Amino acid sequence: DAGVIQSPRHEVTEMGQEVTLRCKPISGHNSLFWYRQTMMRGLELLIYFNNNVPIDDSGMPEDRFSAKMPNASFSTLKIQPSEPRDSAVYFCASSFEGGNQPQHFGDGTRLSIL
Amino acid sequence: QKEVEQNSGPLSVPEGAIASLNCTYSDRGSQSFFWYRQYSGKSPELIMSIYSNGDKEDGRFTAQLNKASQYVSLLIRDSQPSDSATYLCAVLNFGNEKLTFGTGTRLTIIP
Repeated sequence: DAGVIQSPRHEVTEMGQEVTLRCKPISGHNSLFWYRQTMMRGLELLIYFNNNVPIDDSGMPEDRFSAKMPNASFSTLKIQPSEPRDSAVYFCASSFEGGNQPQHFGDGTRLSIL
Repeated sequence: QKEVEQNSGPLSVPEGAIASLNCTYSDRGSQSFFWYRQYSGKSPELIMSIYSNGDKEDGRFTAQLNKASQYVSLLIRDSQPSDSATYLCAVLNFGNEKLTFGTGTRLTIIP
């Protein structure tokens, strides 16, 4: 079975540019999560969706960050304008809805803002 | 106070020995507990889940949960160099889908 698919795997861009990260969850999973991981702060939850609806975006650092889930098989995380401090690895994860269900992670996008 | 705490390590264990990884959490309403393994440059990979007090064994891995003490641990028997990784403890809080992660323990198995 295909796991969570993220693209691109690596992104290098200059500050001020728009960055769009993409995620395809595991088929049948109805919860989707966006995380950011840095050495300093570890793994942080940015936002999560349930049945394509944003449930909690309290982890989104600021208005420069936005996320959408137009359908059950696709989500985007956008940063506009990007800044060097946004450099991190961004992970997408998905799970079945339900309190006991574990999350399965994609391979991540390594983002570098110059 | 951090919600999920782990010793960051590094923890060095000789090959063949038992590696013991510990995690404490602050929310008494937590119901589900997970251990993820993350190799350098890779994504977190689920290795164990535990939901009730006691021990749960899966191959060389044993997860232990004590809700009264708000403590969860992971034991790795017969440690192998391939077990060298960062181990993340994650706690799912009652009533929502959010996983809270610890900062991870870096484990090194010494041949």
